[in-house]
Amino acid sequence: NAGVTQTPKFRILKIGQSMTLQCAQDMNHNYMYWYRQDPGMGLKLIYYSVGAGITDKGEVPNGYNVSRSTTEDFPLRLELAAPSQTSVYFCASSSGQGPFSDTQYFGPGTRLTVL
Amino acid sequence: AQKITQTQPGMFVQEKEAVTLDCTYDTSDQSYGLFWYKQPSSGEMIFLIYQGSYDEQNATEGRYSLNFQKARKSANLVISASQLGDSAMYFCAMRGWMDSSYKLIFGSGTRLLVRP
Repeated sequence: NAGVTQTPKFRILKIGQSMTLQCAQDMNHNYMYWYRQDPGMGLKLIYYSVGAGITDKGEVPNGYNVSRSTTEDFPLRLELAAPSQTSVYFCASSSGQGPFSDTQYFGPGTRLTVL
Repeated sequence: AQKITQTQPGMFVQEKEAVTLDCTYDTSDQSYGLFWYKQPSSGEMIFLIYQGSYDEQNATEGRYSLNFQKARKSANLVISASQLGDSAMYFCAMRGWMDSSYKLIFGSGTRLLVRP
């Protein structure tokens, strides 16, 4: 199993450009998540999904959009990129079993710079 | 509001010695889960260990153990017999009911450097 995969690994955007960060998992997990990690900080939740067709906002959703048409894929869309969106983006997935013990497994991350 | 606090931005440990990484959490709920993740310099987040709020015994996974003190709201990670490959950032996280759903929140992390 590849686990959680993310593409691209690195990207530089100009202010105002848009892009989609791809995330896929092959563990048949129902739940998927997008986090951002700013330098020297922990992770903050952007959006999450509990199943295909169901998404919801996390702590820092502004400037982002998501969709979930399949169990495997959970792309994150950045519209009108701003320097404040410079960060490392992590996708994660979990089975959704056990409300408190549900362990999230992370992808390798995408390092995004907006200039 | 629920919160995770890691007060040690950086720590050193000698190879083969044990080290404790501190984590305190703030919640008024009785049910929650506590996690530790490792982030090496390569950047990925690796799950290490989990402790449930109702678990009476401290969780252990190989060289990792979680020193859970519920009354003090602390969930310290103990790494025994440190190895050079343990040098990394370590994040404490808590899963609980927040804003109408179950969410995972992270502390700011502790950078551990293992000296040969």
